[in-house]
Amino acid sequence: DAGITQSPRHKVTETGTPVTLRCHQTENHRYMYWYRQDPGHGLRLIHYSYGVKDTDKGEVSDGYSVSRSKTEDFLLTLESATSSQTSVYFCAISGASTDYNEQFFGPGTRLTVL
Amino acid sequence: AQSVTQLDSHVSVSEGTPVLLRCNYSSSYSPSLFWYVQHPNKGLQLLLKYTSAATLVKGINGFEAEFKKSETSFHLTKPSAHMSDAAEYFCVVTPGTYKYIFGTGTRLKVLA
Repeated sequence: DAGITQSPRHKVTETGTPVTLRCHQTENHRYMYWYRQDPGHGLRLIHYSYGVKDTDKGEVSDGYSVSRSKTEDFLLTLESATSSQTSVYFCAISGASTDYNEQFFGPGTRLTVL
Repeated sequence: AQSVTQLDSHVSVSEGTPVLLRCNYSSSYSPSLFWYVQHPNKGLQLLLKYTSAATLVKGINGFEAEFKKSETSFHLTKPSAHMSDAAEYFCVVTPGTYKYIFGTGTRLKVLA
């Protein structure tokens, strides 16, 4: 399995509090992604990174920010959590040397916002 | 623009019978296509990928998929279902680089 870990694995928080999720990889892959998974929607891209300090928005980026200060770490921050952000969050990585790289996924973080 | 449609949100089969999970795609580029499987409370695992080499792609656990450009389809099949195949399956298309488009998933139920 690709070396991807996510922390925490589960979190319960209250509306209005800040939350940071961490993704850590040991594969030295260039691209890193944050997705959220909700029933009936598949996986939707929140943000992605194509290198250290290089990030861009995905299709559902409102209310989320990211940072990547090292190749191996990609942080997702909810500045002020809302109940609509209750979801399962997945981190993924992919290489950049070819144009058909598969993604490798972390185990997910289940976030509940009360 | 790229898109993916998984034609069935739920599929039920009996153990030992064939599995067919359907996926249609739309892409203005020559795409790469993937099938992933997700077991309950787990991350996504790659089953197989199409990358313009052979149109019939074999994956793990006896699954295979055939790329049919004329039908813009990439259906996933398995000759004989096993109880351990019960999971959710995602079809994914990418034109390359960072962009991956996910289908909404097909939940496979295997009946004893």
